[in-house]
Order: sequence, then C-alpha cells, then structure tokens
Amino acid sequence: RKEVEQDPGPFNVPEGATVAFNCTYSNSASQSFFWYRQDCRKEPKLLMSVYSSGNEDGRFTAQLNRASQYISLLIRDSKLSDSATYLCVVVPPMEYGNKLVFGAGTILRVKS
Amino acid sequence: DVKVTQSSRYLVKRTGEKVFLECVQDMDHENMFWYRQDPGLGLRLIYFSYDVKMKEKGDIPEGYSVSREKKERFSLILESASTNQTSMYLCASSLWGNTEAFFGQGTRLTVV
Repeated sequence: RKEVEQDPGPFNVPEGATVAFNCTYSNSASQSFFWYRQDCRKEPKLLMSVYSSGNEDGRFTAQLNRASQYISLLIRDSKLSDSATYLCVVVPPMEYGNKLVFGAGTILRVKS
Repeated sequence: DVKVTQSSRYLVKRTGEKVFLECVQDMDHENMFWYRQDPGLGLRLIYFSYDVKMKEKGDIPEGYSVSREKKERFSLILESASTNQTSMYLCASSLWGNTEAFFGQGTRLTVV
C-alpha cells in the first residue's frame, strides 16, 4: 500500500462549483499534513496546512480525520485560476526522518 | 523573499555521463530534499539531508548520490546517467520536518 494515495482525477468542474478531494495515508502515527498546489510546469507551493481541528482559508477548507486516516480539501465557488494539481503531503513519524511524503496529485480543471 | 535555486532549468546528457544537479537555498534551512517527478507517479523522494554532511536515503536512491558540504547547498549526483533517469528533478528545503517546504523551479533532465 502506498504511503499517501490520491485520486488522480481529473476533476472537471464548472466555475462556481464546489469540489472536494480526499487523500488517504497509511501510517497512523503521521505527524503533520499539508496541501500543496502545483501549476503546470511550475514547482509545488504550499496551499495550506491541515490541523486536527480543521482550518479554513477563504474558499478553501482542509480537514483531518485521524480515525479513518484521510485528509480532505474542499474548494467552494471554484475559479478558473483554481485549475492546477493538488498534492497531499504527509510527514511520517520522527523515526522515519524529517521527510515529506507526497501523493501523486489530483488534477482539477475548472471550466467556464 | 525566500529562495531555492537550481543551477539549470534544462539539461541534456548522454548515457553514462556523470551528472551534477546543484541546489542552493538562502533561508538557513536545516532540511533539504531531492525529488523526481514523473507523470502519474508524483514526487518521489530520492535523498534528503537534515544537517551538513548528513544524508538519508529516500524511496528511490538507486543510481543517485548526494553531497551536502555546506548548509545552503545540496547536490544530486547521477553517477552514470541512464535513459530511465530522464525526469523533472525538484529540490526543496524546509526549516524542520513539519514546516513548509520551498521548492526550486526544477531541472528537466533528458538522458539520450
């Protein structure tokens, strides 16, 4: 089983739609979780951290479900500019080193 | 403005050549990483380093080595390039394992 798994998509949605991605992780003792965004031919950049209590940043909401070992990203009122690949990132327990484990990414295409 | 700089955006090398990919960060970060990114596979960790002269193997270290003689510089070495090492290589740095990682712009390496 992969450490971090995501549905590759693509998710094709109209402008204004709400879309949600999930990401599952295998190590229940994982410490930290993030969502990164990667535009075509660009490097990944941090979108938001995922806290146990969940967090919201404008149209974006991230949640963590430790019991089921998944994190989610909800995007409301989708914009054309939201089209990108969304990467789920998990930090395993310290004994595995200070590394970041990336999912393969979910492609989002927002269309007018 | 934080910065991770990779020495080349595009490289073309011949099979069997020794290849050096350089990465420099100006944020005094402890951790540095080398990933390769391939379609459908996402970012896969090759090596990472959490201190000068320290290195840890990632998920796919075979055919690669690394060097970290100074805190700000992390080099990836392909000892004898092969065509299956044609890929996008991304360098990243972070202060600690569970903090935001900043990426360089990537080096697209083609081995012919």
